[in-house]
Amino acid sequence: SQTIHQWPATLVQPVGSPLSLECTVEGTSNPNLYWYRQAAGRGLQLLFYSVGIGQISSEVPQNLSASRPQDRQFILSSKKLLLSDSGFYLCAWIVGVGAFFGQGTRLTVV
Amino acid sequence: ELKVEQNPLFLSMQEGKNYTIYCNYSTTSDRLYWYRQDPGKSLESLFVLLSNGAVKQEGRLMASLDTKARLSTLHITAAVHDLSATYFCAVDTGAQKLVFGQGTRLTINP
Repeated sequence: SQTIHQWPATLVQPVGSPLSLECTVEGTSNPNLYWYRQAAGRGLQLLFYSVGIGQISSEVPQNLSASRPQDRQFILSSKKLLLSDSGFYLCAWIVGVGAFFGQGTRLTVV
Repeated sequence: ELKVEQNPLFLSMQEGKNYTIYCNYSTTSDRLYWYRQDPGKSLESLFVLLSNGAVKQEGRLMASLDTKARLSTLHITAAVHDLSATYFCAVDTGAQKLVFGQGTRLTINP
């Protein structure tokens, strides 16, 4: 069966520090992968999506970047975090029957 | 650009009552999804609606899709406390990207 893993679950980072969030998928090949961010009490904003290795599309200009080094791995990064980067980050794998989400990472930038 | 709007955004209701959450979207799509999110948790898939007139039911929840009106509804019958959560609709843009509504925070009181 297909599963999606995301870690860490919680992260507290100082302003200006780097960030790396990882997402991996099991049980499928060549998945379409997505990073969403959810601000407190808000909806989901699409940040990046990838349809294959090395292929990244950015939806909004921001302080973050994404990479797809392997078929089933999707990484969200930042060189220097801002306070406004705080939020709940969700990795998703989307197929014809919708999106399957990882457990999410709650990032607090202090 | 596809816009998805839910209403109401906040809903407080008593156990045993019926209510409906509405999801309107701005451009043509025949794929719509409903998700549930508990506080601090990731999103859980509830319904997948893939054609005009589609109706799906699970327990006290029923979802429907009218692609001509660009409207989906999530109906709650005889609400119980366990249904308290935030509910999101999401619409497929046609490129396997999902645009989410703002979410409806549902609180069911005894």
